[in-house]
Amino acid sequence: GDSVTQMEGPVTLSEEAFLTINCTYTATGYPSLFWYVQYPGEGLQLLLKATKADDKGSNKGFEATYRKETTSFHLEKGSVQVSDSAVYFCALVPNAGGTSYGKLTFGQGTILTVHP
Amino acid sequence: DAGITQSPRHKVTETGTPVTLRCHQTENHRYMYWYRQDPGHGLRLIHYSYGVKDTDKGEVSDGYSVSRSKTEDFLLTLESATSSQTSVYFCAISESGRGNSPLHFGNGTRLTVT
Repeated sequence: GDSVTQMEGPVTLSEEAFLTINCTYTATGYPSLFWYVQYPGEGLQLLLKATKADDKGSNKGFEATYRKETTSFHLEKGSVQVSDSAVYFCALVPNAGGTSYGKLTFGQGTILTVHP
Repeated sequence: DAGITQSPRHKVTETGTPVTLRCHQTENHRYMYWYRQDPGHGLRLIHYSYGVKDTDKGEVSDGYSVSRSKTEDFLLTLESATSSQTSVYFCAISESGRGNSPLHFGNGTRLTVT
């Protein structure tokens, strides 16, 4: 079945450091890929998405490129801030554009802590 | 923010008791979902709905049932709660069932089964 694997956390960085959170996936067909972020005590919010190979999603300084050849969707940010401290989830929906009922498959989440 | 309200926000209950969690949306979206969040597992789909009275099972549906009698409400019921159902439960909605349509999440219900 479909699955998403994220790098083990937690990740602890100093402010202005470079961030990479690795995400790889296994899926049949051509899934859509997403990064969601969860701030303490809140639900998940969509951070960015990509729906086909080589697409780059970006938002709030975060970027991720859909790499079909390596089945990856790594999240990057050039300079993190304390306010980026949160849990980050990589997720997929199979068969982009098809009727998958929008069912997301999530990775296990990566806790990011940024210190001043 | 998408208009999603989950109730209650916190609940403590005893093993063997029935529990119902409510998700209410004001967006008139067709698709609704219940997920549970557990450390090391991310979020896992329990049940979902693709219309009024149209529901189906997700990955971890055992011990749970759902109902959707109105577009705006999606109820999750634990018929007889067990300690393994201690978790944070999230409701989500989507405007379409297409793979590129993002889900919008509520703020969650923290359920503790003692």
